[in-house]
Amino acid sequence: AQKITQTQPGMFVQEKEAVTLDCTYDTSDQSYGLFWYKQPSSGEMIFLIYQGSYDEQNATEGRYSLNFQKARKSANLVISASQLGDSAMYFCAMREAYGGATNKLIFGTGTLLAVQP
Amino acid sequence: DVKVTQSSRYLVKRTGEKVFLECVQDMDHENMFWYRQDPGLGLRLIYFSYDVKMKEKGDIPEGYSVSREKKERFSLILESASTNQTSMYLCASSLGQVPYEQYFGPGTRLTVT
Repeated sequence: AQKITQTQPGMFVQEKEAVTLDCTYDTSDQSYGLFWYKQPSSGEMIFLIYQGSYDEQNATEGRYSLNFQKARKSANLVISASQLGDSAMYFCAMREAYGGATNKLIFGTGTLLAVQP
Repeated sequence: DVKVTQSSRYLVKRTGEKVFLECVQDMDHENMFWYRQDPGLGLRLIYFSYDVKMKEKGDIPEGYSVSREKKERFSLILESASTNQTSMYLCASSLGQVPYEQYFGPGTRLTVT
């Protein structure tokens, strides 16, 4: 069965430092996608970054980058130059093929990041 | 920008009541989803829909039903609310093509007393 594992329930980082949030996945599919979402205390899930299984380069979006290691089945999120506004819950998710034009997402349990001044 | 709205941010209902949670998206997305979020469990899929009047069970459909009469609207129904359905409910929508990125609404925090 497909599964996403986030082993860090909570993390602290100093403002302006980089931080890595871990995510490992398990799938037997050849084609899949990996996502990271941010959930601030307001509750809304915000899409951050996407990596397709066939993408050769690691995805980057501004201060966010995804360290994709296919052989190790890991898709870690790297946030550079942390800001106080980065304090939030972060979820890793994998697209599970359902068929046709619908693909479900499987979510990990999340990592709560606290950025300290 | 994609906009997904949910009818209420906070809702308090009594045990046994019928509860309707409404979700509307304005980007003509084919797919819509309902999740519940509980501490330590992440997001769990309740139901999803890939077309009008079409629905599929997710991982935890028991105690819930859904309705999709129009493409932009997806409703979650708790036929007889119970205290173990106290949770945060999140609605999402996506296009039916790669990368299938899901856009989420602000969530409804439901308390059943």
